[in-house]
Amino acid sequence: AQTVTQSQPEMSVQEAETVTLSCTYDTSESDYYLFWYKQPPSRQMILVIRQEAYKQQNATENRFSVNFQKAAKSFSLKISDSQLGDAAMYFCAIREWDMRFGAGTRLTVKP
Amino acid sequence: GAGVSQSPRYKVAKRGQDVALRCDPISGHVSLFWYQQALGQGPEFLTYFQNEAQLDKSGLPSDRFFAERPEGSVSTLKIQRTQQEDSAVYLCASSLVGDPEAFFGQGTRLTVV
Repeated sequence: AQTVTQSQPEMSVQEAETVTLSCTYDTSESDYYLFWYKQPPSRQMILVIRQEAYKQQNATENRFSVNFQKAAKSFSLKISDSQLGDAAMYFCAIREWDMRFGAGTRLTVKP
Repeated sequence: GAGVSQSPRYKVAKRGQDVALRCDPISGHVSLFWYQQALGQGPEFLTYFQNEAQLDKSGLPSDRFFAERPEGSVSTLKIQRTQQEDSAVYLCASSLVGDPEAFFGQGTRLTVV
């Protein structure tokens, strides 16, 4: 089964600055999807960004972008111009048939 | 409904009691997932349905855990003879066929006392 590793349990960023969250994964498939989800204290998982493995171009969504390195099985999330509302747990996930998650990174944004 | 709905939102069970957690996926969503999320941890995969077929139940931690989706829509996760280590948030998610994005419910927080 696929696995996801997030090596940063906690990260902190100053408001308006940029932060990068790391994620590595393992899979034996060549076709899969990668996601970053945000989970605020309300518990609702919210999709931040997705990447299809067959696409070489890195996905971007407004202030959020990824650095997808397929050969290295790396999928990091960059948050630019950080805002107080970005504070949450961030989970990296991979989907082949089912979906597996990493342990998460808690992001704190300092005013 | 507009989103994935889970009920109850909170459940307190006495050790040894049986519980049933319900998930109403988004209408038309073929795939359905259950996850267990301990405090401060990532969601741990429990089981996966495509329509009424349970394609993967490798994440169910013991034979006390049972999930069903008899008509391919609503799903129930049942935990028999609950134990303290079952205390967690149980998340349900669903997705359309051909779309890998999973939409999540707000979860059920189970506390076993």
